[in-house]
Amino acid sequence: EDQVTQSPEALRLQEGESSSLNCSYTVSGLRGLFWYRQDPGKGPEFLFTLYSAGEEKEKERLKATLTKKESFLHITAPKPEDSATYLCAVQGGGATNKLIFGTGTLLAVQP
Amino acid sequence: KAGVTQTPRYLIKTRGQQVTLSCSPISGHRSVSWYQQTPGQGLQFLFEYFSETQRNKGNFPGRFSGRQFSNSRSEMNVSTLELGDSALYLCASSSGTWNTGELFFGEGSRLTVL
Repeated sequence: EDQVTQSPEALRLQEGESSSLNCSYTVSGLRGLFWYRQDPGKGPEFLFTLYSAGEEKEKERLKATLTKKESFLHITAPKPEDSATYLCAVQGGGATNKLIFGTGTLLAVQP
Repeated sequence: KAGVTQTPRYLIKTRGQQVTLSCSPISGHRSVSWYQQTPGQGLQFLFEYFSETQRNKGNFPGRFSGRQFSNSRSEMNVSTLELGDSALYLCASSSGTWNTGELFFGEGSRLTVL
């Protein structure tokens, strides 16, 4: 069964303190791994797609990497506006847009 | 370009009632998916529609159903509501290209069952 596990569940950082979020997954026939950001009271917002091991994507202070078993979301010198829940999701085989989501990491960046 | 619109945003129902939620996707998007989000389970896939056809269905009881209209707008219905159905129901649309995981989510419909 396809499964996604995210750690830690919650993370509190000081502004400027870099860290990483982890997403481990088991899926048959990975077609893509996705990172989303969700702010309170909002729907998830797409950040990155990773398709194969070794691939990296960057956007401002965020960098996502992928191995055969896990993905990392690196946050460099975070700012308070980076505070949100970060969700990881995988897409397995088949002609579908169905995503399997992890339960997310709640990130709080204090000034 | 308008985003995904979900209505209503908030609603309160009692056990045994039924509810219908509506979703208008981004213009031009033909794929609509529905997810249930709860604090304990996170986002769980309900179903996906593409060009009025259900393309995939999650592991939810038959009380949960949906449909998509010719203009790509979608509705989901939950009958005989239970307390455990209290959740944020999220609709997401995509361009309809096969196997894209880049979904555009609405802000959700928060359902409370008393």
